[in-house]
Amino acid sequence: DQQVKQNSPSLSVQEGRISILNCDYTNSMFDYFLWYKKYPAEGPTFLISISSIKDKNEDGRFTVFLNKSAKHLSLHIVPSQPGDSAVYFCAALKNYGGSQGNLIFGKGTKLSVKP
Amino acid sequence: DAGVTQSPTHLIKTRGQQVTLRCSPKSGHDTVSWYQQALGQGPQFIFQYYEEEERQRGNFPDRFSGHQFPNYSSELNVNALLLGDSALYLCASSLLNRISNYGYTFGSGTRLTVV
Repeated sequence: DQQVKQNSPSLSVQEGRISILNCDYTNSMFDYFLWYKKYPAEGPTFLISISSIKDKNEDGRFTVFLNKSAKHLSLHIVPSQPGDSAVYFCAALKNYGGSQGNLIFGKGTKLSVKP
Repeated sequence: DAGVTQSPTHLIKTRGQQVTLRCSPKSGHDTVSWYQQALGQGPQFIFQYYEEEERQRGNFPDRFSGHQFPNYSSELNVNALLLGDSALYLCASSLLNRISNYGYTFGSGTRLTVV
């Protein structure tokens, strides 16, 4: 049973426009939600995260929104750049007894930003 | 500052064989986690090691085992390889008792192909 779902396998956006990547989850006990970016032949790289007690976190061109009632989060990239083309993974993290638990990933969304 | 390093980068094994993958964590990190990423899927948690002991385990059979050494480096062993074990194996490191909002630091992975 998938606890973290990314229902769009791919997304294509024009350079300069907004990219919106979506993620749904089923477990209301997660402590953090994270977005990772992955290029081919590289490991996932941390991009941005949000605590479960927040509803928005912003870092430069990247903003993550969390809607706890809908168990939904989204990553907004504005403006999109060709270098943003990669696979984006949504992940959830639950901590145990004051220490970090393991990450649960979605299947990823491949973003293509066209010049 | 070296990040997470994994070896080898690529490996081809025959069904039924055994394989050992290696990981050196980021300097200062004491916890190593292993993930399996099959084609078209997100990374799946295998297990986590801290203080040379398995601390958490995902839904993987006993054919998957690991070890952590006093210098925090780790090995992942897979016995009786199946074709379905073909995947990218990712190692991630962290500090167990430092809860952060960025999860883990990942290596570039070992691509295992079972023929």
